[in-house]
Amino acid sequence: DAGVTQSPTHLIKTRGQHVTLRCSPISGHKSVSWYQQVLGQGPQFIFQYYEKEERGRGNFPDRFSARQFPNYSSELNVNALLLGDSALYLCASSLDDREAFFGQGTRLTVV
Amino acid sequence: RKEVEQDPGPFNVPEGATVAFNCTYSNSASQSFFWYRQDCRKEPKLLMSVYSSGNEDGRFTAQLNRASQYISLLIRDSKLSDSATYLCVVSNQAGRRALTFGSGTRLQVQP
Repeated sequence: DAGVTQSPTHLIKTRGQHVTLRCSPISGHKSVSWYQQVLGQGPQFIFQYYEKEERGRGNFPDRFSARQFPNYSSELNVNALLLGDSALYLCASSLDDREAFFGQGTRLTVV
Repeated sequence: RKEVEQDPGPFNVPEGATVAFNCTYSNSASQSFFWYRQDCRKEPKLLMSVYSSGNEDGRFTAQLNRASQYISLLIRDSKLSDSATYLCVVSNQAGRRALTFGSGTRLQVQP
């Protein structure tokens, strides 16, 4: 079975631009969460979606938004990129709030 | 104060050594507890869940002390392949499973 897949794996953007990151959960998993991990820190929670509904939001500005589609895949959007948005963005899927399985992440560099 | 605090290390130990990591959490309402392992530039992977009664998985033993809000991980007979960053993780929101990560403790096992 395929694990959590994220695309793209690497991305370079300029300050002020917009970015969309994509995530496909493990088949059958209805919950998708997004995390931001900056170098030297643990992942920080951004959003959680379950059955297309937002169930939780971390302490991130409104420039960050997300959605979940009927097939449970998800997108994370970030507007007006700042240098500080450079990080590894991780998507995790889970089945009924049990163990979270992480994708390999998207490494975003803002220049 | 961070919600989950860990000693960043690094812990440099010889093969075969026993090493212990500790973690404290600030939210007494935390409900679930985990240790994740993260290899360099890879995604976090669940190592083990942590229960009040303590639990063991091969060379790994995890303990939880709710009164002291303290979690530990003991690794016996360290292997070179145990070299990684170990992330202490708590879940604070019932039914939501938004994970709160510590910054991680780096372990380097040396031959």
